[in-house]
Amino acid sequence: ETGVTQTPRHLVMGMTNKKSLKCEQHLGHNAMYWYKQSAKKPLELMFVYSLEERVENNSVPSRFSPECPNSSHLFLHLHTLQPEDSALYLCASSQNLAGGQGDTQYFGPGTRLTVL
Amino acid sequence: AQKVTQAQTEISVVEKEDVTLDCVYETRDTTYYLFWYKQPPSGELVFLIRRNSFDEQNEISGRYSWNFQKSTSSFNFTITASQVVDSAVYFCALSEARGNKLVFGAGTILRVKS
Repeated sequence: ETGVTQTPRHLVMGMTNKKSLKCEQHLGHNAMYWYKQSAKKPLELMFVYSLEERVENNSVPSRFSPECPNSSHLFLHLHTLQPEDSALYLCASSQNLAGGQGDTQYFGPGTRLTVL
Repeated sequence: AQKVTQAQTEISVVEKEDVTLDCVYETRDTTYYLFWYKQPPSGELVFLIRRNSFDEQNEISGRYSWNFQKSTSSFNFTITASQVVDSAVYFCALSEARGNKLVFGAGTILRVKS
């Protein structure tokens, strides 16, 4: 079983649709992250969860709603998205939060999202 | 505030050439961690190396080597005898001990031609 998995790998949705991205980590980590990677832009941190509690929300629009039901699973619920939200959404996990002991983040393969 | 700069947007080399990817960072913390990741066309970020601020020893792993110099706030990455499979986007990243973020540079696209 690979370390961090994401489903679906590709998603096309209209602006009025509601969809969810799923991330699962099999590494026994306590922290999980959502990143957005748009074309020609740096990786943007969206949300950080530690022990299922959200510890960071980087001014992300409310049309993105994260959920962390347990330390192994992370969801990103999407609704009424805009075309500019089209991007690669990457999930990552680390033993503990990125600071502290500088634990390495391990990434999933990403979900390529296209909003029409 | 922490910041990572990868000044080289894109590099093209011919197979078997050596190539160095530059990374310059800014931080006010005395304890911090530096990382390199590789992103092949498939999209997944692959972890390559992690160094902490107290360990300035250079590291070599096969064809990969890293040069960490605190005096110039740089953490450069060299690929020796490059191969086509090395073609990818490479990201340098920084996390501070007092924070909970991993801040990435803009990335360098490496194209290795046969």
